[in-house]
Amino acid sequence: ETGVTQSPTHLIKTRGQQVTLRCSSQSGHNTVSWYQQALGQGPQFIFQYYREEENGRGNFPPRFSGLQFPNYSSELNVNALELDDSALYLCASSFWTGRGTGELFFGEGSRLTVL
Amino acid sequence: DAKTTQPPSMDCAEGRAANLPCNHSTISGNEYVYWYRQIHSQGPQYIIHGLKNNETNEMASLIITEDRKSSTLILPHATLRDTAVYYCIADHGSSNTGKLIFGQGTTLQVKP
Repeated sequence: ETGVTQSPTHLIKTRGQQVTLRCSSQSGHNTVSWYQQALGQGPQFIFQYYREEENGRGNFPPRFSGLQFPNYSSELNVNALELDDSALYLCASSFWTGRGTGELFFGEGSRLTVL
Repeated sequence: DAKTTQPPSMDCAEGRAANLPCNHSTISGNEYVYWYRQIHSQGPQYIIHGLKNNETNEMASLIITEDRKSSTLILPHATLRDTAVYYCIADHGSSNTGKLIFGQGTTLQVKP
């Protein structure tokens, strides 16, 4: 177990709706990253938060947004859901030591289905 | 796009060593090689990483060629629980974006 927990584990939404996914980082970690994994593909980086600010973003539109809280928990929000947003959403936390990406600790993911 | 190429699938007999290759011919001098694996329906799990020297931990060994254009992950005594997708990733050592570029990985099937 990595100590990274995500909720909910599964959810179903319809097109146009909004969704919020939650992540609780491992104790002592100061960064959190979010990834999207479509079926049969490797995870794709969405963005990372460090000290409550966005610190890097992948090729995802602005309707994907996030928050990191002082207790290092995090949220991923997706507005105006599209069918292609159906995927496993993974949260990963780490402690940045000032050098390299370091070891990422992943949660089990939240599986989103958009109908 | 991923900076690494891996075979899509491999088989290994239980108890034997599993040797998973990875090509990273365009890797730059300060990029590390990371290996993660993902067991079905779970999040990816860190295995090992290295820069130039070979590395070993309780899970695996990482052998990096002298020119750093390829590497091999070795699971010394594969078990059925090692069946997973294995990802080889080249990552810029000075970055703090937490951005790992995953490719398709190698699906390792360990057979009894």
